[in-house]
Amino acid sequence: DGGITQSPKYLFRKEGQNVTLSCEQNLNHDAMYWYRQDPGQGLRLIYYSQIVNDFQKGDIAEGYSVSREKKESFPLTVTSAQKNPTAFYLCASTPEAGANVLTFGAGSRLTVL
Amino acid sequence: QKEVEQDPGPLSVPEGAIVSLNCTYSNSAFQYFMWYRQYSRKGPELLMYTYSSGNKEDGRFTAQVDKSSKYISLFIRDSQPSDSATYLCANSKGAQKLVFGQGTRLTINP
Repeated sequence: DGGITQSPKYLFRKEGQNVTLSCEQNLNHDAMYWYRQDPGQGLRLIYYSQIVNDFQKGDIAEGYSVSREKKESFPLTVTSAQKNPTAFYLCASTPEAGANVLTFGAGSRLTVL
Repeated sequence: QKEVEQDPGPLSVPEGAIVSLNCTYSNSAFQYFMWYRQYSRKGPELLMYTYSSGNKEDGRFTAQVDKSSKYISLFIRDSQPSDSATYLCANSKGAQKLVFGQGTRLTINP
């Protein structure tokens, strides 16, 4: 079955550590996205990539970094510069850039201890 | 003011009730309107997709868009416990990123 796989599902991090969340899709979609979800705030866009080796900042990119070396993969690194990293992180994709209908992964829950 | 406002709830109704979920938005350029359903600890999944004003029905679900008042609604008929989830509205101006509401947490009680 085609879809988006996020790992790990749960992750604990000590303050000052960088962590990388994995996102892999086998949908052959061109565009990929990272969202952050906090209670009462909906989904906020962190980064997105419309094509391999290219990505753009979203609304809340500070403290995060991404790479897009392969079409299938769009990992997100939460750096120590992110002041409040505890959240639910969602990866999504669309067949092409500008498409409206997102396909989401199951999410990764990051908790900073 | 947020571009898309949604009552976060929580909303609790008995099984079989008609549920009304609502969003308001401020940007008149929005043309595409979506509802996503998100079960606990899962990713959202697309439930309804509409373009411009009007109604769209899919089984027990009806999406309604009123662009004149910048108001979108999702109605659920004959609600079931399996409908218990968080419902997110999302708007788009076209080939632009989506703007999501805060999500409404809905519980259907057997």
